[in-house]
This record gives sequence, structure tokens and C-alpha cells, in this order.
Amino acid sequence: QMQLQESGPGLVKPSETLSLTCSVSGGSIATYFWNWIRQPPGKGLEWIGYIYDIGRANYNPSLKSRVTISVDTSKNQVSLKLSSVTAADAALYYCARRTARGFPYYYMDVWGKGTTVTVSS
Amino acid sequence: EIVMTQSPATLSVSPGERATLSCRASQSVSSNLAWYQQKPGQAPRLLIYGASTRATGIPARFSGNGSGTEFTLTISSLQSEDFAVYSCQHYNNWPPLTFGGGTKVEIK
Repeated sequence: QMQLQESGPGLVKPSETLSLTCSVSGGSIATYFWNWIRQPPGKGLEWIGYIYDIGRANYNPSLKSRVTISVDTSKNQVSLKLSSVTAADAALYYCARRTARGFPYYYMDVWGKGTTVTVSS
Repeated sequence: EIVMTQSPATLSVSPGERATLSCRASQSVSSNLAWYQQKPGQAPRLLIYGASTRATGIPARFSGNGSGTEFTLTISSLQSEDFAVYSCQHYNNWPPLTFGGGTKVEIK
């Protein structure tokens, strides 16, 4: 059973870049779509984007100009970078795996517990 | 972007009672809808996909229904471990994938 563990600085300064890592254990990250999803306090979930294989990424249009998702297959890790953060980016950030079922299924069947990011100077 | 709206925001239910949660899409998503359960400090859990198919290991007291723009998640007899936040998510005509704001099921 795959397990996901998010990690990274819990505090980021405004205008700086948020960097998080998702470590995957119990299986290879190859052949899966890996997603980042966030949840601001008291709000619903927001899909940030996914990566499939090296360099094949797709982002939420609302965040596209600031987001980069990458994968390190040698470390079995997925990374998220979000630039120019503001208080609106404070949230619980989740890493999640898309189901292996093909089109049209795009739901997440394995999730990490999330990591909280605060934006403050 | 397809907007997902869940109601009510909070549902107060006694253990053993039935809970019905609603999710509405701003345009048709066919049956491309999933439901998740969230508890504090835990990873979200997939309950339902394809609007009505239970995920592996999900008890039969959870059922999903609907298509197009109107969906429901029903918990037939609430157990203590079912008190949580439930969110719906579409996967039709994206990006972006979008989620509802969630319904919190609390003990009455």
C-alpha cells in the first residue's frame, strides 16, 4: 500500500517561494499522476496541479503563472514550488495520487496527511 | 470552471440516523463525480467515484447517487467514526478539477 508524506517549511515569508516535497513509499512513482491539492483554513479543497512522468505537468489556470511541480524518480519524490506567496496561499497542502484507472476517471485514491503552511513575515 | 456547491454546510445528526448530503455542479459533469471523507490529522479518504461506485473497503452504508448536476451522498446509519467533513469533486471537462466547499457532519 503506497503511503505519501508531505514535508517542507511550515512558515514562508510573503513574496517568497513555497517549496514542499512529497515522499512516496510502498511503490514506484512511475506511471502515476501526482497531484498537489490545498485547503485554506475554513475553506474547500483547491486542486493546484499534477505531474505525470518527467516534464508532463498541468496546472490550475488560477495558479499557473506561479506553480511548478516536478518529480525526482531516483528519490521517489514529487515537489511543489509556488512563487510570490501571499497570505492567501496559507493552507494545508496535500499530495495525492490519481487512480490508475484510465480516462475519464480522475479522482484521488491515495492521499498524504498534509502539511500546514503559514505565510507571515 | 465548473463550480461545485455543497449543502448544507453543517448537518447535525444523531448516531444511527440517516444523513443525506447534496452536491450541485454549475454545469453537467455526467457521472464524473467523487466523494471524499476528511478527518482532522488524517489523510482524506476516497468514498465514491463515478457518482455511485464505492471505493475499495468502503462500507455499504455509504451510497452515492445522481448524474448531470445533482448528486447526493447518503450514510444510511451514522456510526461514531462517520462524523467528519465530506467533499465532492468533479472530473469532467477540466482543468481545473474543482471541489465543493464541504459538508461537516456533526453529532446532534
